[in-house]
Amino acid sequence: GAGVSQSPSNKVTEKGKDVELRCDPISGHTALYWYRQSLGQGLEFLIYFQGNSAPDKSGLPSDRFSAERTGGSVSTLTIQRTQQEDSAVYLCASSQGAASNYEQYFGPGTRLTVT
Amino acid sequence: TQLLEQSPQFLSIQEGENLTVYCNSSSVFSSLQWYRQEPGEGPVLLVTVVTGGEVKKLKRLTFQFGDARKDSSLHITAAQPGDTGLYLCAGGNQAGTALIFGKGTTLSVSS
Repeated sequence: GAGVSQSPSNKVTEKGKDVELRCDPISGHTALYWYRQSLGQGLEFLIYFQGNSAPDKSGLPSDRFSAERTGGSVSTLTIQRTQQEDSAVYLCASSQGAASNYEQYFGPGTRLTVT
Repeated sequence: TQLLEQSPQFLSIQEGENLTVYCNSSSVFSSLQWYRQEPGEGPVLLVTVVTGGEVKKLKRLTFQFGDARKDSSLHITAAQPGDTGLYLCAGGNQAGTALIFGKGTTLSVSS
């Protein structure tokens, strides 16, 4: 079956602009995660959605970052007033359940460059 | 704060050599996972270790979970160019909502 897909694959934006990144998880996966991968920083957890529960937003670095998941499926990560330090690869993952108990399937990521 | 420290950060070896990558923490994890990531792709799960002292083998890859469940290692025997990639260890955060990743080991195997 289809894996996790993300769009766009690459995004170049000017400092101060807003961007939206999209994630289509594997059908039937109730859990969805957003991570950020920066050079030298590894993967950094941003936000977690599980079914109809309130999302865990504890990893969002500032209030410029937000995410939503519509209909328990597609998710959008929005970054407002982008800054150069937001440049990174944004990875989405989905799983059948909670993180440490189930395999996470990752998408190919969106490479964001803020100029 | 739960942290996972990986070493070495970079490893460049010749085909046929053996190598070991380490993943260490001061925190206890209920399980640890190892992922491999290739350029332009997301990480792919290799193995999950759950029991302290556990050893799992995946072809030429051997994974070990420390007795105290604070550390893990990945040993590759007779490395091949196809093993080239970024190797990441990860453990569940305390809330059980996401994975904490180490910064990874970049492995380059040349023929």
